[in-house]
Amino acid sequence: RKEVEQDPGPFNVPEGATVAFNCTYSNSASQSFFWYRQDCRKEPKLLMSVYSSGNEDGRFTAQLNRASQYISLLIRDSKLSDSATYLCVVNILDRGSTLGRLYFGRGTQLTVWP
Amino acid sequence: NAGVTQTPKFRVLKTGQSMTLLCAQDMNHEYMYWYRQDPGMGLRLIHYSVGEGTTAKGEVPDGYNVSRLKKQNFLLGLESAAPSQTSVYFCASSRGIATSGHNEQFFGPGTRLTVL
Repeated sequence: RKEVEQDPGPFNVPEGATVAFNCTYSNSASQSFFWYRQDCRKEPKLLMSVYSSGNEDGRFTAQLNRASQYISLLIRDSKLSDSATYLCVVNILDRGSTLGRLYFGRGTQLTVWP
Repeated sequence: NAGVTQTPKFRVLKTGQSMTLLCAQDMNHEYMYWYRQDPGMGLRLIHYSVGEGTTAKGEVPDGYNVSRLKKQNFLLGLESAAPSQTSVYFCASSRGIATSGHNEQFFGPGTRLTVL
């Protein structure tokens, strides 16, 4: 079983739409959580961290449910420039170590059309 | 401030050939990582380093070796390339350790490797 599971999509939405992505993780020892964004043929870049109380950054809202081991990303008022692949990322602490490693979901592809 | 750079950007190898991918970062980060990304799969960690002179195995280390002789550089070597190593390789670096919560990884632009 993969550490991080995401619906690969694709999601195709019109400009102005609200779209939500979900992600589940299997390891309850997961320490921290992130959403990365990856444009076509480019490197991943951090979009936002996900905090237990939920957090918002402009049009983007991230939620974490530790009990259900579930993370979500909500994008409101979608823009053409939001078209990308969104990677759910979980930081899991290695057993007996202070070093954590990032485990990446395979990504959810979003296309926003005019 | 270039961030993380990788060379080369593209490479085609024949089965059995060797090569080295170079990653450099100018952010004075302690941690560096090599990932591979294949279609339909998430990024998978090959090897990583927690500081100059140290390396450790990640999720898919077989067929690869690494070295971190200088803090700013992290080299990934393929001793005898195989078609299964056709992939996009990303290097990344980060400042802090996971428990601090400051573990944003900064990625290089990637190296597209094809092994025939």
